[in-house]
Amino acid sequence: EVQLVESGGDLVQPGGSLRLSCEASGFTFSSYAMNWVRQAPGKGLEWISYISRSSSTIYYSESVKGRFTITRDNAKNSLYLQMHSLRAEDRAVYFCARDAGYGDFDSWGQGTLVTVSS
Amino acid sequence: QSALTQPASVSGSPGRSITVSCTGTSSDVGTYNLVSWYQHHPGKSPKLMIYEGNKRPSGVSNRFSGSRSGNTASLTISGLQAEDEADYYCCSYAGSRTYVFGTGTRVTVL
Repeated sequence: EVQLVESGGDLVQPGGSLRLSCEASGFTFSSYAMNWVRQAPGKGLEWISYISRSSSTIYYSESVKGRFTITRDNAKNSLYLQMHSLRAEDRAVYFCARDAGYGDFDSWGQGTLVTVSS
Repeated sequence: QSALTQPASVSGSPGRSITVSCTGTSSDVGTYNLVSWYQHHPGKSPKLMIYEGNKRPSGVSNRFSGSRSGNTASLTISGLQAEDEADYYCCSYAGSRTYVFGTGTRVTVL
């Protein structure tokens, strides 16, 4: 069974940093590109970052470019999101999602909550 | 990249059909027939219902179908059932491995 489990969400002050993790199991992690998607309270889903199977191709949405960094460790079956300069508007549930094609996010984690507040 | 436009809510009676629209631009929906649709029950993980415009993943009911015309994609749910009540999001490929989601539609079964 495909499983994605996010962790690392926490309460952080504005301007602070946080690192999210997504541990994968039940499939060959290195064979799939991965993404991070977030949902702010009461808002819709927002795609924020993509990483290819070998980490050779990485993209970000404009809303996080320059502040967030996506990485992966295929040996550890894990995906990461390093977040810096956090803002109130970054408050959201962050999901990792497996990319089976061009936007075919066929498996999702349960999400981890990031709260940015003083 | 602006979010794709969806109606805030759509409702229908059990057994009837409903259609959820998703309007983008010539930079996303209009250029790439790579629209996916997700069902999201609040507090749970989103579920892929349609990919590449009109393809259904294994296990998804054939009551769900997708289509596209110009800059607008659509999700049709036929034979509406109580379990279909959820939020639905479209998502389009926007080039260079970037994606844009829709604003989301709350589907209510009357």
